[in-house]
Amino acid sequence: GQNIDQPTEMTATEGAIVQINCTYQTSGFNGLFWYQQHAGEAPTFLSYNVLDGLEEKGRFSSFLSRSKGYSYLLLKELQMKDSASYLCAVRDDTDKLIFGTGTRLQVFP
Amino acid sequence: ETGVTQTPRHLVMGMTNKKSLKCEQHLGHNAMYWYKQSAKKPLELMFVYNFKEQTENNSVPSRFSPECPNSSHLFLHLHTLQPEDSALYLCASSQERGGPQHFGDGTRLSIL
Repeated sequence: GQNIDQPTEMTATEGAIVQINCTYQTSGFNGLFWYQQHAGEAPTFLSYNVLDGLEEKGRFSSFLSRSKGYSYLLLKELQMKDSASYLCAVRDDTDKLIFGTGTRLQVFP
Repeated sequence: ETGVTQTPRHLVMGMTNKKSLKCEQHLGHNAMYWYKQSAKKPLELMFVYNFKEQTENNSVPSRFSPECPNSSHLFLHLHTLQPEDSALYLCASSQERGGPQHFGDGTRLSIL
């Protein structure tokens, strides 16, 4: 079956670094996406990893290990506006996106 | 502004009503999607259209009926819905099927 696991909630302090993990077991793998979703708003695309390794984009980085079925999203220099849900999604072998339940991150001053 | 516009933003309807959700994308994308988002559950793919052709129906009940008249517009026709259908319905588009998706803000649907 298809399974995407990520923590339900995390908290962190402004200015700190936080790592949000995602593990997956899916029928095939064609890449992994991270999305950010603020309450009441649309999910917005953050990153896409298809090869192993780290992709850096400003304060956000995403890592993938295909052999371990594992990814993480790293957020540096946290800001209050980073409080949101972070969705991990795997593109399976039919090009469908399978989403996790999301990790709700709260950033405190 | 994500380039994907959904209307209405909120909809309250009785179980016997018929209504339609509308989605329009201004990004020139070729694939469009309907998702259902319920509290504490993963985003659930409902339908996929690629170049106006339906390529995926994820075992969705027939009381949900999609329509894609062209690559820029997608509708979800609703009739005789159940209370468990109350959720946020999100539309998305991507340049090619399986690519990074751009989402609309969704329609918050409540069934009385």
